[in-house]
Amino acid sequence: DIQMTQSPSSLSASVGDRVTITCRASQSIADHLNWYQQEPGKAPYLLIYAASSLQSGVPSSFSGSGSGTDFTLTISSLQPEDFATYYCLQTYSTPYTFGQGTKLEIK
Amino acid sequence: QVQLQESGPGLVKPSETLSLTCTVSGGSVRSSSYYWSWIRQPPGKGLEWIGYIDYSGSTNFNPSLESRVTLSVDSSKNQFSLKLASVTAADTAVYYCARLGRDNAYLPRQYYFDYWGQGTLVTVSS
Repeated sequence: DIQMTQSPSSLSASVGDRVTITCRASQSIADHLNWYQQEPGKAPYLLIYAASSLQSGVPSSFSGSGSGTDFTLTISSLQPEDFATYYCLQTYSTPYTFGQGTKLEIK
Repeated sequence: QVQLQESGPGLVKPSETLSLTCTVSGGSVRSSSYYWSWIRQPPGKGLEWIGYIDYSGSTNFNPSLESRVTLSVDSSKNQFSLKLASVTAADTAVYYCARLGRDNAYLPRQYYFDYWGQGTLVTVSS
């Protein structure tokens, strides 16, 4: 199985901050990387697929980059609704595997 | 707008079989463009992909669960279902159904879970 490691596990930031979350794969996954946002008690919500393609309806403050084994999710200016947990997911090969999550909290 | 809704018992006894159904609206499980998936999340923990099924009944499972999982699709009801046998407390989780979509503009194709159900908590306890 491909292991996905996110860092940091948690992050405190303020409204308006720029934040970056990283995800590392245990082997190359090309650009088969998704990012999801999950609010407490809700299902995950697709933000980005193919490492950098913004899903329809997602604010342009979200962006993704990377290929191979190293990927980043950047939020350019945090809004109150962005405080949630973020997961990366590799869809390069089955079994699909998620990162352990990054909890973004208000400072 | 595609919507998915899980249904099934919220409490299952150890060693019994967990059974859940996902009803799809606003789209068809007969579509050859999608795979219909199950994902679970133990309380306070991360996400685990269980497996997927397509319109023809072709399946792909997580090897960690494969020996206990059965997936099926009922196109007449626009539903797909999960059965997980011989459950233990470790199977207590929120179970989500989700659509695995794809973008054919990419080669190889890119896959992503674009629509999810709200999730249903299944507790394994006597």
